[in-house]
Amino acid sequence: DAKTTQPPSMDCAEGRAANLPCNHSTISGNEYVYWYRQIHSQGPQYIIHGLKNNETNEMASLIITEDRKSSTLILPHATLRDTAVYYCIVILGGDDMRFGAGTRLTVKP
Amino acid sequence: NAGVTQTPKFQVLKTGQSMTLQCAQDMNHEYMSWYRQDPGMGLRLIHYSVGAGITDQGEVPNGYNVSRSTTEDFPLRLLSAAPSQTSVYFCASSTSWGAGEKLFFGSGTQLSVL
Repeated sequence: DAKTTQPPSMDCAEGRAANLPCNHSTISGNEYVYWYRQIHSQGPQYIIHGLKNNETNEMASLIITEDRKSSTLILPHATLRDTAVYYCIVILGGDDMRFGAGTRLTVKP
Repeated sequence: NAGVTQTPKFQVLKTGQSMTLQCAQDMNHEYMSWYRQDPGMGLRLIHYSVGAGITDQGEVPNGYNVSRSTTEDFPLRLLSAAPSQTSVYFCASSTSWGAGEKLFFGSGTQLSVL
């Protein structure tokens, strides 16, 4: 069962903000939203996670809608090195973290 | 602090051969897991462990064995390799198996079974 829906691919111009959407309409009250990315064939890298409130760290911002049915990952100033597959994951504490197909983001010069 | 270390990086096996993929972490993490990734697909969970002596199956456990005798190590064993096990394998760890934790991944092992 896919808990999240993401577009398969997106493009973004270098230096502009990249906004990656994720739908999770069946999310339950205690489930977290996580974002990871995978650059080429490297191991996935943690980006950010949140429960209800918007979150920001040195890599990105996470905006979660009030009803929690969708979220957006924002890379404020995308660089070529941000080209990667981005995974949105919804998980309850103690569950296995399962990755879907993700969104392939291509940052173009 | 090396993080999560996987060996080997590349391996070629013949059908029916056995081998062990090694995974070690030096962060004193309780939770460790193994994923496989096939071309164009996301990661699928094979096995996981919430602490030394405790293991459980993920989505695709068939053909793989694991054990967790120490906190640091979580080897993945292929007893009789099959071409369907050709994949890239990732090991991951986190502080604990719970809400709010983040996974740290190794750099992967690319396995080909001929």
